[in-house]
Amino acid sequence: AQSVTQLGSHVSVSEGALVLLRCNYSSSVPPYLFWYVQYPNQGLQLLLKYTTGATLVKGINGFEAEFKKSETSFHLTKPSAHMSDAAEYFCAVRLSGNTPLVFGKGTRLSVIA
Amino acid sequence: DTAVSQTPKYLVTQMGNDKSIKCEQNLGHDTMYWYKQDSKKFLKIMFSYNNKELIINETVPNRFSPKSPDKAHLNLHINSLELGDSAVYFCASSQEGGRNEQYFGPGTRLTVT
Repeated sequence: AQSVTQLGSHVSVSEGALVLLRCNYSSSVPPYLFWYVQYPNQGLQLLLKYTTGATLVKGINGFEAEFKKSETSFHLTKPSAHMSDAAEYFCAVRLSGNTPLVFGKGTRLSVIA
Repeated sequence: DTAVSQTPKYLVTQMGNDKSIKCEQNLGHDTMYWYKQDSKKFLKIMFSYNNKELIINETVPNRFSPKSPDKAHLNLHINSLELGDSAVYFCASSQEGGRNEQYFGPGTRLTVT
């Protein structure tokens, strides 16, 4: 069975600093990987996903993530944090077919002015 | 035009009552899901429907019953509500296939008193 581990339940960065949110997965087969963002009192919005091909994936709002098979990681980065990036971020893994997403426990990102 | 909508957004009710949450998607997707998000923000799959047929039924009490009248709708009925049912419930939909992302509704915050 697949699982996702997000290191750090809370990450705090200064405005303009690098954002790094960590995600490691466990899967018996190459999975599909996703990052979602949840703003307060809202649903989840897709930031980016990795399916096949290029391992560096660019998403919305300046975020990107790199799939590293050897490290079973899919860390999310953004070069310069903005106040509007403050939210909850979820990494998720999915196998083929209609299997549901398996989510990590989420990382709350705070951005300090 | 909302892609995945849920009603109601907030639901406050007493223990023992029966309630329903409705979900509709206008994306033409053939798979729909219900997730539960607990107070610690952890997201867990409850049910998954593909073309109106139940394909995943995780370990949830049988007081929870999903109903899919057509491909665009997946409702959640809960009998004999308990305090522990208090959570945010998210509906989602996707096109068939593991590489396809899921689109989430805005959530229904259920509070059982």
